[in-house]
Amino acid sequence: EVQLVESGGALVQPGGSLRLSCVASGFTFSSYNMNWVRQAPGKGLEWVSYISSSSGTKSYADSVKGRFTISRDNAKNSLYLQMNSLRVEDTAVYYCARGDTINDYWGQGTLVTVSS
Amino acid sequence: DIQMTQSPSTLSASVGDRVTITCRASQSISSWLAWYQQKPGKAPKLLIYKASSLESGVPSRFSGSGSGTEFTLTISSLQPDDFATYYCQQYNSYSRTFGGGTKVEIK
Repeated sequence: EVQLVESGGALVQPGGSLRLSCVASGFTFSSYNMNWVRQAPGKGLEWVSYISSSSGTKSYADSVKGRFTISRDNAKNSLYLQMNSLRVEDTAVYYCARGDTINDYWGQGTLVTVSS
Repeated sequence: DIQMTQSPSTLSASVGDRVTITCRASQSISSWLAWYQQKPGKAPKLLIYKASSLESGVPSRFSGSGSGTEFTLTISSLQPDDFATYYCQQYNSYSRTFGGGTKVEIK
C-alpha cells in the first residue's frame, strides 16, 4: 500500500525556519518525482515545489522562491522541504504528493503556523 | 504563469442531479489538466487526468472533457459521497497551477 507520511509542522515565529519531512512506503520512491502542495486555512490548493526522481530538476512557486528548498534522500525514502524566512502567509497544511504531472497519492498533511 | 479560473465557486445540487464544473486556462495547456476531489480535513483525491482519462477506481459517473483553454468536469448523477470541493490543475508547465475550487453543496 502506498503511504506518504508528513511531519515537522509546528508553530513558528515570522522570520523563523522549519524543515518538513515526508516518508514514503509501498512503492519505489527513487523512481518517482515528488511535489509539495499547501493549503491555507479555508483556502484552495497551492503548488509549492517539485523535485525530480534524481534531484536533478527542482522548481518552486514564485511565492516561495529563494526561501524554500526542496530535497530528497532516496536511500531513506524521504522528501524534505526546508523553509526559511517564514511569513504569516506561509501558514498552511503542507502535503507531499507523488508524481510529476499528476499527483496520484498524497500524504495526510502537516500544519505549519507562522505567528508571533 | 498560467492562471486557472473555475466556475462556479459554489454549486448547490440534489442527489441525482447532473453537475458540470468549468475550468478555464489563461493560455492553451493542450490536454494537460487534472481534476481532484477534496473533502474537509482530507487530502485531495485524483479523479481525472489528461483532461478526460478516468483514474483507476473512480466511478464512471465522473467524466472530463475539453482541450486548449476550456475544460469541464461532469458528474452524471450526483451521489451523497460526491458533496465535496473540486479543483482543476494544469500541468503544462513546471509551475503547476490549481483553480480556485468549486464547492458542491447539498441543495
